[in-house]
Amino acid sequence: AQKVTQAQTEISVVEKEDVTLDCVYETRDTTYYLFWYKQPPSGELVFLIRRNSFDEQNEISGRYSWNFQKSTSSFNFTITASQVVDSAVYFCALSGNTNAGKSTFGDGTTLTVKP
Amino acid sequence: EAGVTQFPSHSVIEKGQTVTLRCDPISGHDNLYWYRRVMGKEIKFLLHFVKESKQDESGMPNNRFLAERTGGTYSTLKVQPAELEDSGVYFCASSQEIIGTSPDTQYFGPGTRLTVL
Repeated sequence: AQKVTQAQTEISVVEKEDVTLDCVYETRDTTYYLFWYKQPPSGELVFLIRRNSFDEQNEISGRYSWNFQKSTSSFNFTITASQVVDSAVYFCALSGNTNAGKSTFGDGTTLTVKP
Repeated sequence: EAGVTQFPSHSVIEKGQTVTLRCDPISGHDNLYWYRRVMGKEIKFLLHFVKESKQDESGMPNNRFLAERTGGTYSTLKVQPAELEDSGVYFCASSQEIIGTSPDTQYFGPGTRLTVL
């Protein structure tokens, strides 16, 4: 069975602060993929990143960065110098090789960035 | 290129009524998925189509839910009769192909918010 845990239900920060959203996963699959999605107030889920289990290199995309650590089964997401437009619900998801078509999601973390 | 579209965006119905949700995937995507988010909890998998065939429907909650994808293009999800616990946001996603056991990125639609009164 697969499980994704996003322990932080809600986070509130002030603009320009850095914020890290935690994601811890469980899977028995030897090969798996991890994803982050953003759900802004408009409702759609926006794909942010996909990372496979063999690639533990951290990734940076502008103000966004991701830290994948297999040893702790974590795939954390950091927003540097947060902005009001970053306010959204963020979901971490996992898809394993035994059922590649099925993604398991966490409960989501609601991030509020105040001006 | 158009993304995944879903119709309607909102639906309010009474318990016992029937509702049909529609999803149009990204053109050329063979894989289509339905998920739902109930009561602000996690987004849960319902089922997966590959073209017109149901690849995995292990997440369908019960036989009041019927999904179809005739012709391998758009898909419908019918709830009949609707119950109060069916309220939530129903998301559709699509992806190009699954190569071996490697999942392709799923692109999501805006969701349909269903309220059953």
